Parts: sequence; structure tokens; C-alpha cells
Amino acid sequence: QLQLLESGPGLVKPSETLSLTCNVSGGSITSGSYYWGWIRQSPEKGLEWIVSIFYGKNTYYNPSLKSRVAISVETSKNQFSLRLSSVTAADTAVYYCARQFVVRGLTPPFDYWGQGALVTVSS
Amino acid sequence: QSVLTQPPSVSGAPGQRVTISCTGSSSNIGAGYSVLWYLQLPGAAPKLLIYGDTKRPSGVPDRFSGSKSGTSASLAISGLQAADEADYYCQSYDRSLSAYVFGTGTKVTVL
Repeated sequence: QLQLLESGPGLVKPSETLSLTCNVSGGSITSGSYYWGWIRQSPEKGLEWIVSIFYGKNTYYNPSLKSRVAISVETSKNQFSLRLSSVTAADTAVYYCARQFVVRGLTPPFDYWGQGALVTVSS
Repeated sequence: QSVLTQPPSVSGAPGQRVTISCTGSSSNIGAGYSVLWYLQLPGAAPKLLIYGDTKRPSGVPDRFSGSKSGTSASLAISGLQAADEADYYCQSYDRSLSAYVFGTGTKVTVL
């Protein structure tokens, strides 16, 4: 059974960089027709897609966040990471990592999700 | 802010059928991008219920069904159960925003 687990600091100061890692177990991050992505959820904005990466190929960013987002994959540890720079209070949210599976001709679903990590931006 | 609009809440008695609407536009649902639906229990991550407008992943009961017409989509829950009390979200892709977008969410209450 595929499992995803987010980890990282729960508190980040304004203007600093938020860093989260998603550890994937029960399946390889490099196999199959899958994207690996990040989504966040806050009371103010609801669910908001951040970025998705297809290992070795494409990366897709939410244009509203692209200038501040970086995503990377570490295959040796079977994990992928998110960095969001210049954070403000508006970036306070629960951050989820998730797998998206590619289905030809369809909007790719997020079929496996991590439990979520609350990140608060505050001094 | 969301480009996909859902009713804030719907309710029904056990055993009844309820439907949740998801209203989009010509740049997302109306452009032909497929719709997905998720269920979120309190304190948990969203769970995929429907993809490709009408398809159910393995393990999702056939009490849940999706449909789409024009710029809108709907999720129907038949034989409503107490365990169905949750928040439900639609999702699609918006070509104007070049982004995957989620609905505003609907809370289902079982009376």
C-alpha cells in the first residue's frame, strides 16, 4: 500500500523559506505514469494546487506561486521536497503531498495523499 | 476566489439521495476538462471518489456517482449514511489559469 508522509518545520518566520519533504513508501517515486505534487489547504483559500513533477520529465507550477516555488526529487531516499520562498501569513496552511496518476485524456487525479503538515507563518 | 462554485451545505436523512453541484465556466468544465470529486473527513486528507467525470476508483461504493453537463458537474450520493458526513470537493483544470483548481467545498450533513 502506497503511503506518503510529510515532514518539516511547523513554524516559519515571515520572509523566510518554507521547506517540506514527502517520504514515499510502498512504491517507487520513479516508476509508472505518476506525477508527484503538493497541495495546500487554508480556511481563506480552500484547497490550492501548488506544483506537480513527473520524475525526469516535466514540472508544472501554479502560475500564482511559480516565482516562489521549487520542487525536487531525491530518488535515493524515495522522497520529494517543496520549497516556498518569501513566505507571509497568507502561506499559513496545511500542506499535503500527493500522487497524481496519468490517465490519457483526463484530468489526472490525486489518488494518494499524505496526512498533511500544518505550517504556520509567524514571527 | 475559487473558479469552481459549490453550495456550502446540503443535508438529507439516512437512506435519501443528495446531490452536490459544481459550477464552473468555459475555461474549465465547459472546455471539456474532466471533473474529479473528493471526500474529506474532519482532520483527514481528501480521498478520491470520482475521476473522469463518472469513474469510481476501486473500493468506492456505487452509491457515489458523478455526472457532467455544460459548465457544471454533479456528485450524487444515494442511500445516505451517517458515515457520509464530510466535506466534498470538486476539482478540474482551468486553461485560463493554467492550473488545477478545486471547488469551494460542500458540507454534507446527515439528519
